[in-house]
Formats: sequence, structure tokens, C-alpha cells
Amino acid sequence: DVKVTQSSRYLVKRTGEKVFLECVQDMDHENMFWYRQDPGLGLRLIYFSYDVKMKEKGDIPEGYSVSREKKERFSLILESASTNQTSMYLCASSPGQGYGNTIYFGEGSWLTVV
Amino acid sequence: SQQGEEDPQALSIQEGENATMNCSYKTSINNLQWYRQNSGRGLVHLILIRSNEREKHSGRLRVTLDTSKKSSSLLITASRAADTASYFCATVLIYNFNKFYFGSGTKLNVKP
Repeated sequence: DVKVTQSSRYLVKRTGEKVFLECVQDMDHENMFWYRQDPGLGLRLIYFSYDVKMKEKGDIPEGYSVSREKKERFSLILESASTNQTSMYLCASSPGQGYGNTIYFGEGSWLTVV
Repeated sequence: SQQGEEDPQALSIQEGENATMNCSYKTSINNLQWYRQNSGRGLVHLILIRSNEREKHSGRLRVTLDTSKKSSSLLITASRAADTASYFCATVLIYNFNKFYFGSGTKLNVKP
């Protein structure tokens, strides 16, 4: 079974702190994603990576950056956390280009910025 | 945005009844997928329907796709309390197999 592991399930950070959310997948998938989920807004794509060191902005990249130094690991960075970044963050991965790919999610990281 | 819209936002039914959720989207797709999310957890893939398919079944799930109306529906038959969850549709576009666009979900509550 594909496993996507998010390192922290619950975090509380202070405004202005730098925050790292780590994600590891064990299925050699090409693509990795970071989504943010808020009530009533569904899942919104923050960043997407289709290869090591390659990234593409999603719908809401402002205030976030990402790092993918190794194929299995994709990190989301909040350079200076703000209260409006309090949310649930979901990491996901999927195989490379191919008809019928599905996406596999981690369990989510609940971030509270105070 | 390509993001799909699910309808209704919330649905409450009795165990044994059928549950129907709808999804509409905006641009041409390669395929459409449905996912389930238990409260506070990640999403899990349920079923995929390709753009050239009209209906697909998997156990108690039936998915239909109408590309002319840009809509899909998910039917869960003989629902169980364990089906209580949020259900999301995700679209994959024709020109980009790598991205998944999710709707805002339907929250299903199945009362025992």
C-alpha cells in the first residue's frame, strides 16, 4: 500500500515563526502536492512538484514555499506564519504522467497560528 | 478555477437509504474521481470514471458522468452508519494529467 506520511499531526506556532511541514511518500511517485483545506472552501492547491527540485505554483501559493531535494520528500514552508494560515494541510502524491492516475493523501497536519 | 462544486453541501439520511451526491465542473476533463474523507483524516480514493465512460460501479457505489452537462453523480446504495464522511469529486484535465482539482465536498451523515 502507498503510504504518505506527514511528520506532524498537530502544531501550534506563533505569528512570525518559520514553520516546516514535512511529507514523505514510499512509492517512488513522481508527483507530490500540498493542499490546504478550510471549511466550505474544499481543498486548495498550494504547490505541486513533478520532479526533484521542480515545483509549480498552485492556486494559493502566497505566503508559502516548498522544497523537494529528494524524490520521496516534499516540504512546505511558511516563511513567517500568520493567523490566516491556521488550517489543515494535506500532503499527497501520485505517479507520473499517465491516464488514470489517482492521488494518495497523508493524514493531514493541523496547524494553529496564535 | 476548474474546481468542482458538489451538491448538496450536506446530506442526512437513515441507514439503509440511498445517498446521491452531485458534482459539476467547468472545463473538459480526462477523468473524474471521487474521494472520501473521514472526519479529520486524509482523503481516500473511491472510484474513477473516464471521460468516455457514462457509468461505473464498485460495490455499493455507482458513478455517472455526463460530459455534455459537465456533471457527475455518486450514488451510495443501502447506506450504513460507517459511510458517514465527506465526499469529494476531483477532476483531471485533458491537457494535464498531473493535477487534481477538488470540489468543496458533500458532508454525508448516515443515522443508525
